[in-house]
Amino acid sequence: DAEITQSPRHKITETGRQVTLACHQTWNHNNMFWYRQDLGHGLRLIHYSYGVHDTNKGEVSDGYSVSRSNTEDLPLTLESAASSQTSVYFCASSGGGSSLADTQYFGPGTRLTVL
Amino acid sequence: DAKTTQPPSMDCAEGRAANLPCNHSTISGNEYVYWYRQIHSQGPQYIIHGLKNNETNEMASLIITEDRKSSTLILPHATLRDTAVYYCIVRVLSVYNQGGKLIFGQGTELSVKP
Repeated sequence: DAEITQSPRHKITETGRQVTLACHQTWNHNNMFWYRQDLGHGLRLIHYSYGVHDTNKGEVSDGYSVSRSNTEDLPLTLESAASSQTSVYFCASSGGGSSLADTQYFGPGTRLTVL
Repeated sequence: DAKTTQPPSMDCAEGRAANLPCNHSTISGNEYVYWYRQIHSQGPQYIIHGLKNNETNEMASLIITEDRKSSTLILPHATLRDTAVYYCIVRVLSVYNQGGKLIFGQGTELSVKP
């Protein structure tokens, strides 16, 4: 079955280190998204992509970057991790060419702790 | 995208219907109503969406008022596994299938009790 996966599921890192979170989907979706979720803020959009080599900033993009070199993957990089980036990160994808084409399907999440 | 208002929490007895309301009084004519839910520690899960007609699928029913200013998500026979935060989201369905961002509010925390 097609799916969307994230790795690692849990990560502890230190302030100042570069961290990359992986997102991989096998639906052949054009659109991919990264969100973060914090208590009191709900889910907030970090970056998104509408296709290979396309990337766009979301509402909380500072300190994060993404690149899209193929359809299946959208890795999220924290250039220099900060304690404020401790959060749960969710990846999502959409665009299957059906009436549900605009529906976003979410991965299981990555819990990141920055010490 | 229009703003939505939901009650912060609701309780429901197991086996009974759960009716979750959502107000979206500023909704535009081309905006759809989407519902997602998030079970603790999991990623959000799509439930249903609609424009102006009532919709039903294997998970739930969506009732949208005639003036489209409010809607109700109905889980016909709630189970303990339906305990989750339910998000009502209003957004334009992109013509070119370029999925626009989802703006999540605080949602309704539904507790299904035995």
